Amino acid sequence: QVQLVQSGAEVKKPGASVKVSCKASGYTFTSYDFNWVRQATGQGLEWMGWMNPNNGNTGYAQKFQGRVTMTRNTSISTAYMEVSSLRSEDTAVYYCARGRLGGLDPWGQGTLVTVSS
Amino acid sequence: QSVLTQSPSVSAAPGQKVTISCSGSSSNIGNNYVSWYQQLPGTAPKLLIYDNNKRPSGIPDRFSGSKSGTSATLGITGLQTGDEADYYCGTWDGSLSAGVFGGGTKLTVL
Repeated sequence: QVQLVQSGAEVKKPGASVKVSCKASGYTFTSYDFNWVRQATGQGLEWMGWMNPNNGNTGYAQKFQGRVTMTRNTSISTAYMEVSSLRSEDTAVYYCARGRLGGLDPWGQGTLVTVSS
Repeated sequence: QSVLTQSPSVSAAPGQKVTISCSGSSSNIGNNYVSWYQQLPGTAPKLLIYDNNKRPSGIPDRFSGSKSGTSATLGITGLQTGDEADYYCGTWDGSLSAGVFGGGTKLTVL
């Protein structure tokens, strides 16, 4: 079955960087875009950007431009999302999701990133 | 402040019907397909509706979607306690060149 499995929870200090991975299985990795979405505790969904795993093209929400980088390793069917210059407001669950059917399906299980001194 | 506007909460009794609305503008809902997501407590969101009104395989026909102008609606009939969740609408915004979501609607099945 199609599945996205994300890396485990992270605790980072302000100013540090974090890189979250998303391993895909059950389909051809390069056939569908990846999107990244985050959700702070008790808050709604916030779209961060997308990546075409076939050619590496990316598009980021203006809010994250210059601070977020999305990459992939096609040999291991894994997408990555790195956030730099972390601040406390970046504490959230980060999700990867496959772009398909005019929506996002499926989603990874989420990765909690906690930014704390 | 989300680009798409949803009511914060809605409630109904088991077996009843409920609708959840999502309001946007010409740069998003008005010119793009809408999708809907269900997020059960403590879990990742799940795609319920895509392309305004289509259901992925495995989604029961109790869930339906529609769009008119710059607004979209999710309908749920035959409410069950297991439907208690947060529901989000989403689409693309051409002016922002970004995906956008509503703020979410919490459904309570009384």
